[in-house]
Amino acid sequence: AQSVTQLDSHVSVSEGTPVLLRCNYSSSYSPSLFWYVQHPNKGLQLLLKYTSAATLVKGINGFEAEFKKSETSFHLTKPSAHMSDAAEYFCVVSPSGGYNKLIFGAGTRLAVHP
Amino acid sequence: GAVVSQHPSRVICKSGTSVKIECRSLDFQATTMFWYRQFPKKSLMLMATSNEGSKATYEQGVEKDKFLINHASLTLSTLTVTSAHPEDSSFYICSATGQGWNEQFFGPGTRLTVL
Repeated sequence: AQSVTQLDSHVSVSEGTPVLLRCNYSSSYSPSLFWYVQHPNKGLQLLLKYTSAATLVKGINGFEAEFKKSETSFHLTKPSAHMSDAAEYFCVVSPSGGYNKLIFGAGTRLAVHP
Repeated sequence: GAVVSQHPSRVICKSGTSVKIECRSLDFQATTMFWYRQFPKKSLMLMATSNEGSKATYEQGVEKDKFLINHASLTLSTLTVTSAHPEDSSFYICSATGQGWNEQFFGPGTRLTVL
């Protein structure tokens, strides 16, 4: 069965320090992997996606993620957190590699302190 | 990016009544729309997929007679929660995509509270 595990439900960082949000996936096929961000009262926004091209994927707002097949991981990183990064982040897998059937992780709430 | 809206953003209803939630693609033709349910502090669960002009495809465990989905036009899909009960209280999110697109665009969600 396909699944996504976000290892931390809450992450708290200071402004200007690095961000690491961890994600492990399980998929029988070559998956597509995504990171979405959810700000209060706004729709989910796509940060970045991996679709079997380069394993290091760069997204919007300075975020990037690295696909590691051997570790079945797709961790999200950012070198320097900004206050506006505070939000809920979802790691998402599309098991068949397409874009229709999305399986969401439980989410990680990122808090950024001054 | 493409914009998807939902209406209403919040709704409170009495147990036993029906509630309709609208999902609109504002600046593109949405050939496929998706409905998700998000429980508190939990992930989004796909409820159903609907293609314009066709019957929706429901995920396992989702009652199609309780959650009626209509996708009658390329810009509008509706989710009707029939005979709502308190356990139907949740955050409902829709998304939409266009023909051949490689991304889903999400609406802001609708908070349903059934008393």
